[in-house]
Amino acid sequence: GNSVTQMEGPVTLSEEAFLTINCTYTATGYPSLFWYVQYPGEGLQLLLKATKADDKGSNKGFEATYRKETTSFHLEKGSVQVSDSAVYFCALRMTGGGNKLTFGTGTQLKVEL
Amino acid sequence: GAGVSQSPSNKVTEKGKDVELRCDPISGHTALYWYRQSLGQGLEFLIYFQGNSAPDKSGLPSDRFSAERTGGSVSTLTIQRTQQEDSAVYLCASSWTATGELFFGEGSRLTVL
Repeated sequence: GNSVTQMEGPVTLSEEAFLTINCTYTATGYPSLFWYVQYPGEGLQLLLKATKADDKGSNKGFEATYRKETTSFHLEKGSVQVSDSAVYFCALRMTGGGNKLTFGTGTQLKVEL
Repeated sequence: GAGVSQSPSNKVTEKGKDVELRCDPISGHTALYWYRQSLGQGLEFLIYFQGNSAPDKSGLPSDRFSAERTGGSVSTLTIQRTQQEDSAVYLCASSWTATGELFFGEGSRLTVL
């Protein structure tokens, strides 16, 4: 079946540090890939997405590139802020599956001054 | 508010009791999803409603779980004869179309004693 594997957290960084959160997937076919973010006390919200190989999704300084050869969709940000502290979820969606997303377990990010 | 609203935010119940969780999607959204997040697990798809089509119930873990969506709007997830393993955060999400951006509520945390 389809699955998503994320690095375990929590990840603790100092402000302005470089962020990488690893995400790899297993899927039969070519899924669309997503990163969702959940800020404290809020619902999950879409951060970025990529729908085909070599696409780069970007938003709010975050980027992720769809790598078919390594089945990966790692999330990166060049300089994190305290306000980026949240839980980040990687997810995939197969064509024809509506919005039946397969999610990873989530990675908690803590950014300190 | 304009977002997805879920109630109750917290529910503590005794094993064997029935519970109902409510979701009020964003007005006009045709698609509605229920997911479950158990401790240490990723989000798990439960059920999907799209317009007037028959719901996709493929993610419901047992026949103790059911959901309905009345008038194409509010949805209720019902868990009968609750078990301790049902303890989780139940998330509702809605979208304009079957593959549009998902908007999540804050979830209903269910604890079964």
